[in-house]
Amino acid sequence: DADVTQTPRNRITKTGKRIMLECSQTKGHDRMYWYRQDPGLGLRLIYYSFDVKDINKGEISDGYSVSRQAQAKFSLSLESAIPNQTALYFCATSDSRPGTGAFRNQPQHFGDGTRLSIL
Amino acid sequence: AQTVTQSQPEMSVQEAETVTLSCTYDTSESDYYLFWYKQPPSRQMILVIRQEAYKQQNATENRFSVNFQKAAKSFSLKISDSQLGDAAMYFCAYRSDSGNTPLVFGKGTRLSVIA
Repeated sequence: DADVTQTPRNRITKTGKRIMLECSQTKGHDRMYWYRQDPGLGLRLIYYSFDVKDINKGEISDGYSVSRQAQAKFSLSLESAIPNQTALYFCATSDSRPGTGAFRNQPQHFGDGTRLSIL
Repeated sequence: AQTVTQSQPEMSVQEAETVTLSCTYDTSESDYYLFWYKQPPSRQMILVIRQEAYKQQNATENRFSVNFQKAAKSFSLKISDSQLGDAAMYFCAYRSDSGNTPLVFGKGTRLSVIA
């Protein structure tokens, strides 16, 4: 089983719909992230969370909201989807817990992505 | 804010040959971490290699190695003996050592491997 699981894997929806993308992890990591990937733009950070009570906006948070329901779960919502939110969305985790060494050089671990198309 | 630049949107290499992907970054910090990620057509994001800025020795992982030039703020990835399975998007990423900051990614380089 994947350590970082994103659902759904693919989604097609219509403009104006509310969409929720879910991410769960079994790695026990404290930090979780949402990115979107667009062709030619790389990965851009939407939101990130360092623990259940800590939520931070990223580079492109407008039009998105998140919820960290538990340490293992971090969901991304599009309140009213618009076509330019069509993209590949990634959830990622990383570990900063004491005892894990130089946590800043720990890589982020990614889910397999959700391809979202908004018509 | 830190930025990461990958100046080669696309590259190609013959199978068994060597290719170098470029990455430069802009930072005023002295301590930081650099990463290369690979994204094959399956769209997974796979860590290829990492480098700590305080280490002078270039990181190596099997056929993958980096040329880290701190003064020039350059972090290139060399792939030796290229294989068909190396065909992918490659992303360079930066993480600050000063506080709680996520990764900053470049825009990626698409590598094609020619049989």
